[in-house]
Amino acid sequence: GESVGLHLPTLSVQEGDNSIINCAYSNSASDYFIWYKQESGKGPQFIIDIRSNMDKRQGQRVTVLLNKTVKHLSLQIAATQPGDSAVYFCAESWDTGRRALTFGSGTRLQVQP
Amino acid sequence: ETGVTQTPRHLVMGMTNKKSLKCEQHLGHNAMYWYKQSAKKPLELMFVYSLEERVENNSVPSRFSPECPNSSHLFLHLHTLQPEDSALYLCASSFPGLDEQFFGPGTRLTVL
Repeated sequence: GESVGLHLPTLSVQEGDNSIINCAYSNSASDYFIWYKQESGKGPQFIIDIRSNMDKRQGQRVTVLLNKTVKHLSLQIAATQPGDSAVYFCAESWDTGRRALTFGSGTRLQVQP
Repeated sequence: ETGVTQTPRHLVMGMTNKKSLKCEQHLGHNAMYWYKQSAKKPLELMFVYSLEERVENNSVPSRFSPECPNSSHLFLHLHTLQPEDSALYLCASSFPGLDEQFFGPGTRLTVL
């Protein structure tokens, strides 16, 4: 079936380094992608999104890259900080007459001081 | 956790109990969602309400019963749950047809 999956369950980086979190998706009809951050004890929080007509989108310290050829999505975090430690989820959406998000399994980012 | 609130934040219940989870959104949205988040599993969509009408029930057992009395409130009524139903239950809201969903903090449910 269609699915969204993450390559690495845990990513450990040094404070100040750049982080890259990857996501593979299998539904070629997906036209919207979104990254969420979930800290312990909290609900998922929106980070950044991108539509399929774009390859790259930048936010504050974050960049999302979309490679439709290989169905790959990545989240880049610049100058990673301890406050970035969390679980990161990618999700995809496609138009079936209504919109709904399908979530991946998540990657835990650990920032070492 | 601005915009979407959930109560209670923690709930412990026995298998014969009846309880309800509450979600309220203050964002002017008119689509609301219930998700289940278990350890080692992706977020699982349970129910979708759009304009107060249930538009999807993702094969959820009948021991979970949603209610959406208006566009700002969503309930999940629980009865005769099983220990495997222990999870974090998340509520989200959005504008219908738009993709970005705003999540509440969740209710951590433990079924004994």
